[in-house]
Amino acid sequence: GAGVSQSPSNKVTEKGKDVELRCDPISGHTALYWYRQRLGQGLEFLIYFQGNSAPDKSGLPSDRFSAERTGESVSTLTIQRTQQEDSAVYLCASSFGTHYEQYFGPGTRLTVT
Amino acid sequence: QKEVEQNSGPLSVPEGAIASLNCTYSDRGSQSFFWYRQYSGKSPELIMFIYSNGDKEDGRFTAQLNKASQYVSLLIRDSQPSDSATYLCAVNSWGKLQFGAGTQVVVTP
Repeated sequence: GAGVSQSPSNKVTEKGKDVELRCDPISGHTALYWYRQRLGQGLEFLIYFQGNSAPDKSGLPSDRFSAERTGESVSTLTIQRTQQEDSAVYLCASSFGTHYEQYFGPGTRLTVT
Repeated sequence: QKEVEQNSGPLSVPEGAIASLNCTYSDRGSQSFFWYRQYSGKSPELIMFIYSNGDKEDGRFTAQLNKASQYVSLLIRDSQPSDSATYLCAVNSWGKLQFGAGTQVVVTP
């Protein structure tokens, strides 16, 4: 079946602009996760959703970052007033539940100039 | 202390040999454990998961879990050049995955 999809695959934006990143989870997966991976670094947890509620937002680096999810479907991660340090690959993953294996999308590479 | 620790490598393995990767974790309450493979420039790909103490085999991969020692390992038998990648250990802690920094594996022909 279809895997996790993310769009856009690449995004170049100017410092100070807002960006929206989209994630479509695997059908039937109730849990959805956002991670960030800077070049040459490990995965950094940002936020996860169980259904459309976000029990853990602890990884969001600042109030410029927000995310929402519609039902058990699409999620968007919004970064306002982008900064150069926001440049990274943003990865989305989904799973049947919070204790099950997560499947990753291809990621969105964000470059802030 | 990091929550999930792995040797960073690189781990150099001759083609056809066994690659052995280790991971320790700090949260004794963790119940599910995962190994992901990440090629350069790509997203992580799930290769193994294990929930119970002991060994779990899938093809050339074997995951081993020892909850008492808080230790997870991955063995790759008959290593191939296509196995050259970074291997990420992940531990489920309070509903989210904690990732190690990854071990880079280089399989040499």
